[in-house]
Amino acid sequence: AQSVTQLDSQVPVFEEAPVELRCNYSSSVSVYLFWYVQYPNQGLQLLLKYLSGSTLVKGINGFEAEFNKSQTSFHLRKPSVHISDTAEYFCAAGGGTYKYIFGTGTRLKVLA
Amino acid sequence: NAGVTQTPKFRILKIGQSMTLQCTQDMNHNYMYWYRQDPGMGLKLIYYSVGAGITDKGEVPNGYNVSRSTTEDFPLRLELAAPSQTSVYFCASSPSPGNGEQYFGPGTRLTVT
Repeated sequence: AQSVTQLDSQVPVFEEAPVELRCNYSSSVSVYLFWYVQYPNQGLQLLLKYLSGSTLVKGINGFEAEFNKSQTSFHLRKPSVHISDTAEYFCAAGGGTYKYIFGTGTRLKVLA
Repeated sequence: NAGVTQTPKFRILKIGQSMTLQCTQDMNHNYMYWYRQDPGMGLKLIYYSVGAGITDKGEVPNGYNVSRSTTEDFPLRLELAAPSQTSVYFCASSPSPGNGEQYFGPGTRLTVT
């Protein structure tokens, strides 16, 4: 069965510093991976997705993620964060079934 | 193009009451989903549908029911509300099974007291 683990529940970081949000998955079948962002009192919106091909995926708002099959990871990175990046970030996996599995989320807090 | 819309935005129910959460999408997606989001728990799948007339249970279906009479609408019914159903509920739709983006509605915040 698929599972998605987000290792950090909260990540504080100063503005203009780099950030990495970690995500590991487990699956015995082909996997498609996603990162979503949720701003306060809003629904989730897609940041980026990996379906196949290049393992480095670029998304919106300057975020990127790298698919690492050997380490079963899909970490999200941004080289320089802004206050407006403060939000909750969810890693999700799909593939093989109609269903998606979500991680428990990482709350990114950007400090001035 | 409205995407996925949900009503109501907020609702307070008394224990034992019932209600229906509405979800509509205008993207002609076959796949639709209901999730609940509890603090620190991420999203849990309640029910999903792969097309009109076809629904199936997710991880946490107890206390809920769904129907899918049209492609556009996927209402979630709560019968005999309990405090454990206090949560934020999200509806989502997708054009493809498992490998496509999900489009989320803005959510319904439900409190059962």
